[in-house]
Amino acid sequence: DIQMTQSPSSVSASVGDRVTITCRASQGISNWLAWYQQKPGKAPKLLIYAASSLQSGVPSRFSGSGSGTDFTLTISSLQPEDFATYYCQQANSFPLIFGGGTKVEI
Amino acid sequence: QVQLQESGPGLVKPSETLSLTCTVSGGSITSYYWSWIRQPAGKGLDFIGRIYTGGSANYNPSLKSRVTMSVDTSKNQFSLKLNSVTAADTAMYYCATYSSATGGFDPWGQGTLVTVSS
Repeated sequence: DIQMTQSPSSVSASVGDRVTITCRASQGISNWLAWYQQKPGKAPKLLIYAASSLQSGVPSRFSGSGSGTDFTLTISSLQPEDFATYYCQQANSFPLIFGGGTKVEI
Repeated sequence: QVQLQESGPGLVKPSETLSLTCTVSGGSITSYYWSWIRQPAGKGLDFIGRIYTGGSANYNPSLKSRVTMSVDTSKNQFSLKLNSVTAADTAMYYCATYSSATGGFDPWGQGTLVTVSS
């Protein structure tokens, strides 16, 4: 199975900050990577697919990049509603695996 | 706009079978992969498996021996059965649509908490 490692596991930030989260795959997955946002008590929400494609309705302050084994999710200017946990997920091969999550805290 | 809603018992006894149903509204179930994902309290997301409308299913090898998924197109529903449950199967269970075009899960149901306890 492909393993997905996210870093950091948590990050403290302020409104307006630029935040970058990293996801590393244990083997190459081309651009088959998605990013999700999960708020407490809610289901995850798809933000980014195919490593860099913004899901419809997602604010443009969210962006994704990377290919192969190393990927990043960037929030260009953190907003109050962005405090949440973020997960990456590989879709290159079965089984589909999620990263361990990164909690963005105030 | 497609919406998903999980339903099923919130409490299951150890060694018994967990059974959940996901009802799809606002669209037809006759396309896409229909998936189950679970999340133990305070932990990350675990992919359980996916099933295509035609009935072909792929299960996570870690659960494969205990999982069965099915689709009922007449009711616009798909289902999950997980047998021989233990406390380790206690989690929030989500159903979701998986798109092979994007590789992502969207939309998701709101989730249903299943506790395994005697």
